[in-house]
Amino acid sequence: QVQLVESGGGLVKPGGSLRLSCAASGFFFSDYYMHWVRQAPGKGLEWISYISRDGDAIYYADSVKGRFTISRDNAKNSLFLQMNNLRVEDTAVYFCARASDFWFDYWGQGTLVTVSS
Amino acid sequence: DIQMTQSPSTLSASVGDRVTITCRASQNINNWLAWYQQKPGKAPSLLIYKASTLESGVPSRFSGSGSGTEFTLTISSLQPDDFATYYCQQYDSFWSFGQGTKVEIK
Repeated sequence: QVQLVESGGGLVKPGGSLRLSCAASGFFFSDYYMHWVRQAPGKGLEWISYISRDGDAIYYADSVKGRFTISRDNAKNSLFLQMNNLRVEDTAVYFCARASDFWFDYWGQGTLVTVSS
Repeated sequence: DIQMTQSPSTLSASVGDRVTITCRASQNINNWLAWYQQKPGKAPSLLIYKASTLESGVPSRFSGSGSGTEFTLTISSLQPDDFATYYCQQYDSFWSFGQGTKVEIK
């Protein structure tokens, strides 16, 4: 069955960095577009980044542009999010999500990132 | 950026009720709209895409309608498993979500 498992979250100080990973299984990873979506505590969903199937098209929300970098390794069925210069307002659960078209048909369970001094 | 506005923010209902949630887009998004359900501590799950197409495995009591800037999600007869938060999402221009509608027990 389709599985997406995020890892790499944790506590980091403002200005610090983290790298999130999303391990995919149960489907042919390179056939799918992938996204990162986050959810601040008690808040709604915020789309933050997209990567095409072969990685040649990448988009970011304005809130993370210039600080976050999305990438993927199709040989290892993995999606990544490098987060630099983290801010308190980046505190959230980060989900990876799969898309065969433009909507998100499977989501991981999320990994919590806490930015605090 | 396309802004998505859901109403109401919270909805109190009873099992068996017909429930309707509205989602409005700040500009025409044709039918490029999806609906998701999220339960506390869980990931969202896809209910509907292309405004009205039911995702495989989703109960038929869920339905979606609308086009352009106004959309609705209807649950024809609310079941205990349906108490959750619902989000609309546009994918006409990048991606953005509504703020969510929490369906709670009356």
